Amino acid sequence: QKEVEQNSGPLSVPEGAIASLNCTYSDRGSQSFFWYRQYSGKSPELIMFIYSNGDKEDGRFTAQLNKASQYVSLLIRDSQPSDSATYLCAVKGRGSTLGRLYFGRGTQLTVWP
Amino acid sequence: DGGITQSPKYLFRKEGQNVTLSCEQNLNHDAMYWYRQDPGQGLRLIYYSQIVNDFQKGDIAEGYSVSREKKESFPLTVTSAQKNPTAFYLCASSSPGQQSNEKLFFGSGTQLSVL
Repeated sequence: QKEVEQNSGPLSVPEGAIASLNCTYSDRGSQSFFWYRQYSGKSPELIMFIYSNGDKEDGRFTAQLNKASQYVSLLIRDSQPSDSATYLCAVKGRGSTLGRLYFGRGTQLTVWP
Repeated sequence: DGGITQSPKYLFRKEGQNVTLSCEQNLNHDAMYWYRQDPGQGLRLIYYSQIVNDFQKGDIAEGYSVSREKKESFPLTVTSAQKNPTAFYLCASSSPGQQSNEKLFFGSGTQLSVL
């Protein structure tokens, strides 16, 4: 059973601040990592994916991957109230489980004005 | 418009009853998935199918059954053996094999409750 752990939260930040969301995973050979955002009562939507060590930036979002530490994070700069949601970290399976994603429990983020 | 359609949006089950959740996609995706979401639990995989007429158990398959007779359709039956079925059920699809196609597309979900 592959494990994906997220900081439990909830996380609360003021508008304009940087929100930092963290995720660790148990399978050292994992290659593909994803961040999904889920608003209450809605389905998840993909906001970032990362495959290589280092940083990947997309607008206000930055994903960071450190395979040696088995750690992936999501930074949200200039946080807005519309960023308030649950953020799910997901790791793609390998070998016999190729094709499925393993999800963490999610971190609930609240951005207050 | 291409996408995944789940129905119904809300479903109520009586004790001892089997119910079926519908999932249809017109994205021409090979792989389809069923996830269950409970508050604070994230997404847990029930079943997945990578090709027609084949499917694999996920982490919490007990009390559920699926079929994949057509590429477009992957219905989930919640049987009477599932003693705690109240949850939000999400269907998803993808085209595995290429990194650029690894994105999961989700349906809008079905909220199942027990009467």
